[in-house]
This record gives sequence, structure tokens and C-alpha cells, in this order.
Amino acid sequence: DAKTTQPPSMDCAEGRAANLPCNHSTISGNEYVYWYRQIHSQGPQYIIHGLKNNETNEMASLIITEDRKSSTLILPHATLRDTAVYYCIVRVGGSQGNLIFGKGTKLSVKP
Amino acid sequence: EAGVTQFPSHSVIEKGQTVTLRCDPISGHDNLYWYRRVMGKEIKFLLHFVKESKQDESGMPNNRFLAERTGGTYSTLKVQPAELEDSGVYFCASSPLLASTYNEQFFGPGTRLTVL
Repeated sequence: DAKTTQPPSMDCAEGRAANLPCNHSTISGNEYVYWYRQIHSQGPQYIIHGLKNNETNEMASLIITEDRKSSTLILPHATLRDTAVYYCIVRVGGSQGNLIFGKGTKLSVKP
Repeated sequence: EAGVTQFPSHSVIEKGQTVTLRCDPISGHDNLYWYRRVMGKEIKFLLHFVKESKQDESGMPNNRFLAERTGGTYSTLKVQPAELEDSGVYFCASSPLLASTYNEQFFGPGTRLTVL
């Protein structure tokens, strides 16, 4: 079973920041948090991952709380193309392990 | 560089028939994963190859499913005989064999299987 819980849906205005929360209260000390998204009818796409430090790349930022029990994915300037289902995943089995998907958050970016 | 490709993109078969799905990973990727999403459910892991060896097949639902990766390149997933509940989207993903903590899985577009 997935070790994460996410709100089922969120709306965001185009050009605004989208903040997607995730709870992972049972995460272990060496387990990473990964974020993927799935745009309609495509395969899941990697966004970002982190262990305990905040991370930023060209797509998004990841904020992980100090106790590591929750995190927030931030899309700084959401566009209509960011409309997708976003999955927060606690990866077990190390860097080669499989991904355990939950239900994700359906983000709708509106003009 | 070509991404992960899957064939066919869609398959419609009747219950009891056999279907074979194919996945071509990104060249040089030793890790190959199969996942599927059945109607209304989450994406679920099926199995993981490292080169030609099955590393983890704990997600395979039953013995009607047979995955192979001869030669450690492309992989096939055969469903025989197909049942109605096998309908869904089957995804393949690949990644390089790295020791680092960062190891992104690259997903293919999926094969949509419909069993009538």
C-alpha cells in the first residue's frame, strides 16, 4: 500500500503558484520522497525527489518538513499544461526499487 | 535519444484470448519495470527486471501473466488467457543501474488493453 495521503483534487489559477501537500507520517529514515505526474493518457513523468533537504529544479520545488512526515510540491507559475494528476511517492527498496502509487491529486489549472 | 516505447498502443481482445505486450526501454537501461492501472484503481507495480533477470515479481497477479526479457533488452508481457479484469493500461518504465540515490524511472506511454 502507498505510504502517502494526498487531497484528491485541487484548483489553481494560471500563473499562480500551485502548492500540493502530501502526508507520509510512516516514512523511514532512509526512504526518499518522489513526485511524479501523469498528464492525461501519457505515462507518469518524474518531477523531483528529496530526502530531508528542500530541493529545487527547473520544474518545481520540494519542501520537506523537519520531521519528514509531510512535504509540499510547489509549481511556482502554474500553466494550463500543468493540469495533471500528481503523485507523491515514498520509494521503498532503495534507488532501484519500484514505485508505489497512491491515488494522487488531480490538479486543475484554470485560466 | 528515444524514450521508452510500447507496442501496441491499444489492444482489444476477447476473453480467453492471448495478448502479448512489448516494451523497448531506453538504450542502456538495465532496470525495466512493468506497472498497470486497472479501471478505477491506482497504478500498481507488476515486476522488475535487472537485465534479463527477474529481480522482483511480487506484483504479478497470477500465473496467467508471463514476463520475459531475453537478452536484457526489450521485454514482453503475455497474458494467457485474458480475463475481463485484466483490462487497463499497462506501463513500462526503465532506468539505468546506478548506485546513487537518484534514479528516475522513465515511463512509456502505456498499452491500453481492453478484454471483451
